[in-house]
Amino acid sequence: GIQVEQSPPDLILQEGANSTLRCNFSDSVNNLQWFHQNPWGQLINLFYIPSGTKQNGRLSATTVATERYSLLYISSSQTTDSGVYFCAYSSGNTGKLIFGQGTTLQVKP
Amino acid sequence: SAVISQKPSRDICQRGTSLTIQCQVDSQVTMMFWYRQQPGQSLTLIATANQGSEATYESGFVIDKFPISRPNLTFSTLTVSNMSPEDSSIYLCSVESGRGWDTEAFFGQGTRLTVV
Repeated sequence: GIQVEQSPPDLILQEGANSTLRCNFSDSVNNLQWFHQNPWGQLINLFYIPSGTKQNGRLSATTVATERYSLLYISSSQTTDSGVYFCAYSSGNTGKLIFGQGTTLQVKP
Repeated sequence: SAVISQKPSRDICQRGTSLTIQCQVDSQVTMMFWYRQQPGQSLTLIATANQGSEATYESGFVIDKFPISRPNLTFSTLTVSNMSPEDSSIYLCSVESGRGWDTEAFFGQGTRLTVV
C-alpha cells in the first residue's frame, strides 16, 4: 500500500542550528503537506507543496515529485520550533491524507 | 484557507460511556474527515463524511463504534461509543480548501480524550 517514511525519527538541536527533515513517499503525489504539531496537539499548516520549492521565513520546503521525496529545512532553529513535524500526502483526488510517523524535534537553548 | 472550530478541546470520560465531538467549518465543504492520533503515534483516518450520505469508514473502524453525522455542509459530529481506555487519543476533524486538484487540508484544534 501507499507508504510515507520520515527521517530522522528524532532530532536534538542546539538553538541556532540548521536541520533538514526528509519525507519519502511511495506513489505519485496529488497533495503533499508539512505540519507542525504543537504541545497541545494542534496541527499547524507549514507548507502545501506537491512540487517545487517554497519558503516562509526560516522554513523552506522542496518536493521532487518525480523522485518521490520532500524536504523541510529549518534554519537558525529556536526553542519554539520544538515539537513533532509531520508530512502527509494523498494520491488521487480523495482528499484522504496519509501521514508519516513524524520527526520529533527538540531545540535546546 | 478554512477555519475549523472543534469542541470539546479535551475531556475525561468514564469507560462504557460515549462522547460526541463537534466540528464546525466557516465555509461549505463537500467532504469532512475524522482522524485519530493515539498516544505517541501518527494520525490515522477514521472516516470521510459527506453531506447527505453515510460516512465511509477506513479499515479497522466501524460505524457502531464511531457513528458520524453530517447534517449540512458546515458541520459534522463524531461519537466515540462505549469507550474503553484504548480509545484515549486525540481526535481531529479536517477539511480541504481550494479548487480542483489544488486543495490543502486544514485541521481543527483537536479533542484530547482520556478514558478512565
